[in-house]
Amino acid sequence: QVQLVQSGPEVKRPGASVKVSCKTSGFNLTSYDINWVRQASGQGLEWMGWMSPETGYAQHAQKFQDRVTLTAATSIATAYMELKRLTPDDTAVYYCVRDDFYSGPAWGQGTLVSVSS
Amino acid sequence: DIQMTQSPLSLSASIGDRVTITCRASQTFVSNYLSWYQQKPGKAPRILIYSGSRLQSGVPSRFSGSASGPDFSLTISSLQSEDFATYFCHQTFLYPWTFGHGTRVEIK
Repeated sequence: QVQLVQSGPEVKRPGASVKVSCKTSGFNLTSYDINWVRQASGQGLEWMGWMSPETGYAQHAQKFQDRVTLTAATSIATAYMELKRLTPDDTAVYYCVRDDFYSGPAWGQGTLVSVSS
Repeated sequence: DIQMTQSPLSLSASIGDRVTITCRASQTFVSNYLSWYQQKPGKAPRILIYSGSRLQSGVPSRFSGSASGPDFSLTISSLQSEDFATYFCHQTFLYPWTFGHGTRVEIK
């Protein structure tokens, strides 16, 4: 079955970077776009960007334009989201989401990133 | 950006009640790009409905989705104890993806 399994929680200092992985199984990663969404505690969901593992093309939300990098290693069926220059406002749960018109979005379990000095 | 205005933001209901939650999109799009989720504290969103009205495998049939123009609705026909949670809509028609702010369903 379709699965997206994300890496474990992270604790970072302000100014650091974090890289979250999303290991996929049950489907061919190169056939689907992967999106990243985050949710701060008690807040709504915020879309960060998407990428095509097949082509490597990525598009980001304007507010993350110069801080986020979306990549994929298709040989190991894994997508990545790297966020740089972290601030406490980046404390949130980060989700990878497979976009599929025919069966609806499929979500990873989420990765908590905590940013604190 | 497509704004998804969800209402109500919270509601109190009793077991067995019929509950309807609505999302109004700031622009019309085909319902195939609208999903509904349930989220419980500390958990990832669980997809209930995709493509506007298609029930995700394993989701009880008391959940249903519908669309009329820019308005999308999620209905729970007979609320059960395990349904007390937050629900939100999600459009994937255009980037950026946008979400409703969520409806918290509480026990009356």
